[in-house]
Amino acid sequence: GQQLNQSPQSMFIQEGEDVSMNCTSSSIFNTWLWYKQEPGEGPVLLIALYKAGELTSNGRLTAQFGITRKDSFLNISASIPSDVGIYFCAGDPQGGSEKLVFGKGTKLTVNP
Amino acid sequence: KAGVTQTPRYLIKTRGQQVTLSCSPISGHRSVSWYQQTPGQGLQFLFEYFSETQRNKGNFPGRFSGRQFSNSRSEMNVSTLELGDSALYLCASSPRTGTGELFFGEGSRLTVL
Repeated sequence: GQQLNQSPQSMFIQEGEDVSMNCTSSSIFNTWLWYKQEPGEGPVLLIALYKAGELTSNGRLTAQFGITRKDSFLNISASIPSDVGIYFCAGDPQGGSEKLVFGKGTKLTVNP
Repeated sequence: KAGVTQTPRYLIKTRGQQVTLSCSPISGHRSVSWYQQTPGQGLQFLFEYFSETQRNKGNFPGRFSGRQFSNSRSEMNVSTLELGDSALYLCASSPRTGTGELFFGEGSRLTVL
């Protein structure tokens, strides 16, 4: 089946540093989304991308939908302790559905 | 506005039993999806419902089934439980279909012994 390769698996950074993570696929996705999950909670939507080349920001978060439609990245600027969690990329290969394929996640640890 | 509510939050079953999980979406959301989350396989799509109709189904055996009621509440059922069914089952609702913009509940953690 379709897979999303997310990297890195984990990151340990100092508060204030910038973070970058990405997601790639061998097949085209029509929608890219980034979610964050904290312990004991369900994932929370951070950013949704619908057009190839689209660059979208949400506060300190910026994400881009790759021009080939096979990749996406998420940047977090000036990290803070509450950024800790697992970040998942997700894509909709068929478009127009809630049938998402999720990456395995990037676990972010921020040292104060 | 209340979020997605899933019950029960935790449950323990033995192999061969069946289980029913319940999900109440955010008020006004008519689209409900279910995902299974395990450490090994990550988040995997189970079902998607809209207006009581199953729109999509994931690659899970027939032991996994679901339904949606006229008030948009949804249930999923797993019959003849196996050890590998131990997982966090997440329900998500969406205000609009086809956007991938999901609002997840906290999940139901199922342990099969």
